[in-house]
Amino acid sequence: EVQLVESGGDLVQPGGSLRLSCTASGFTFSSYWMHWVRQAPGKGLVWVSRINNDGSATTYADSVKGRFTISRDNAKNTLYLQMNSLTVEDTAVYYCARGSEPGWFDPWGQGTPVTVSS
Amino acid sequence: DIVMTQSPDSLAESLGERATINCKSSQSLLYNSKAYLAWYQQKPGQPPKLLIYWASTRESGVPDRFSGSGSGTDFTLTISSLQAEDVAVYYCQQYYSTLSWTFGQGTKVEIK
Repeated sequence: EVQLVESGGDLVQPGGSLRLSCTASGFTFSSYWMHWVRQAPGKGLVWVSRINNDGSATTYADSVKGRFTISRDNAKNTLYLQMNSLTVEDTAVYYCARGSEPGWFDPWGQGTPVTVSS
Repeated sequence: DIVMTQSPDSLAESLGERATINCKSSQSLLYNSKAYLAWYQQKPGQPPKLLIYWASTRESGVPDRFSGSGSGTDFTLTISSLQAEDVAVYYCQQYYSTLSWTFGQGTKVEIK
């Protein structure tokens, strides 16, 4: 069964940092692009970042560029999102998702909640 | 960025009735005769689930009451006979741009 499990979400103060992880199983992790998507409370889906299959290329939404870093460890089947200089606007559930070759997202993990508050 | 706009923001139909959701993109999503448009369903407390890709291809296991259509900049998701388990928020997503993937704002579907 293809599965993605996120972890690392927490309550953090503004200006703080957090690292999210997404552990993959049931498929050849190193063959796929991976994405992070977030959803603020009661709001819609917003793409955050993507990384190609070998980690050599990354892309970010303007709202997180320079603050967030996506990375992966294919030996550990794990995707990461390092989040620095967090603001209250970064409060959301963060999902990891596998990217298809053309670009749709399937499957998605269950999500990990990040709350930025003082 | 390509902007995706869904309408309506919410709808309520009776069980067994047809529900229609529209999605409009700020630029054409058509390339090599394929529309780079997907639809997702998100039930409360759950992650999104892929329903349709290439604008009209149902993902394996998705009931055939769900259908997608459209081309260029205008797309539609239709639920032909609304069931109680279809209560959810539905999102369209463009994957035409590989620099920035964008979603519509979502359409909440309820039973009348």
